Amino acid sequence: NAGVMQNPRHLVRRRGQEARLRCSPMKGHSHVYWYRQLPEEGLKFMVYLQKENIIDESGMPKERFSAEFPKEGPSILRIQQVVRGDSAAYFCASSSNRAILYEQYFGPGTRLTVT
Amino acid sequence: QKEVEQNSGPLSVPEGAIASLNCTYSDRGSQSFFWYRQYSGKSPELIMFIYSNGDKEDGRFTAQLNKASQYVSLLIRDSQPSDSATYLCAVNDAGGTSYGKLTFGQGTILTVHP
Repeated sequence: NAGVMQNPRHLVRRRGQEARLRCSPMKGHSHVYWYRQLPEEGLKFMVYLQKENIIDESGMPKERFSAEFPKEGPSILRIQQVVRGDSAAYFCASSSNRAILYEQYFGPGTRLTVT
Repeated sequence: QKEVEQNSGPLSVPEGAIASLNCTYSDRGSQSFFWYRQYSGKSPELIMFIYSNGDKEDGRFTAQLNKASQYVSLLIRDSQPSDSATYLCAVNDAGGTSYGKLTFGQGTILTVHP
């Protein structure tokens, strides 16, 4: 299956710990997007990356959050010193660099719970 | 701030009926429009996309776009209980270099009852 992969699927962290979420795009895709879905809320854009470049991080909280998409390996969303308000589903999506419409395909998500 | 609004739900239709889901958007420059289906506890699944005015059909699904009215809709014909899910309207961000960024509506919960 060449779909978008995310791991871990579920992650539990205590307040103050770090969370690392990983995303491998679909085969042939080089654009990665991260979205967050808070309980009972809609999907919100966080960051858009291409290999080794952050294209748009306008949706990222100013502190504690960072993202990267290295030349080799998956994209990583890092949340430092997590707080309870970070509990949410984090989805990664990818698109093809040849897609005119940039339709995005989502991975299964990582459900982060901060205790 | 760019906004995407969906008709308030939940929407309940009987099996076999047509379900109509509506969405309006604020950014006149938006070029691409997407409908995702999300089952509870699952990730969004792309079911339709449209970028030209008019209708686009795919099986039981028809997407309709009217850029002058800034309106996009999704019709589901012969609705089935398996169509029961939250439907998300998404619009691309046409500004600057972030042409891939999607803005989502809050979703409409659809229930198809036997």
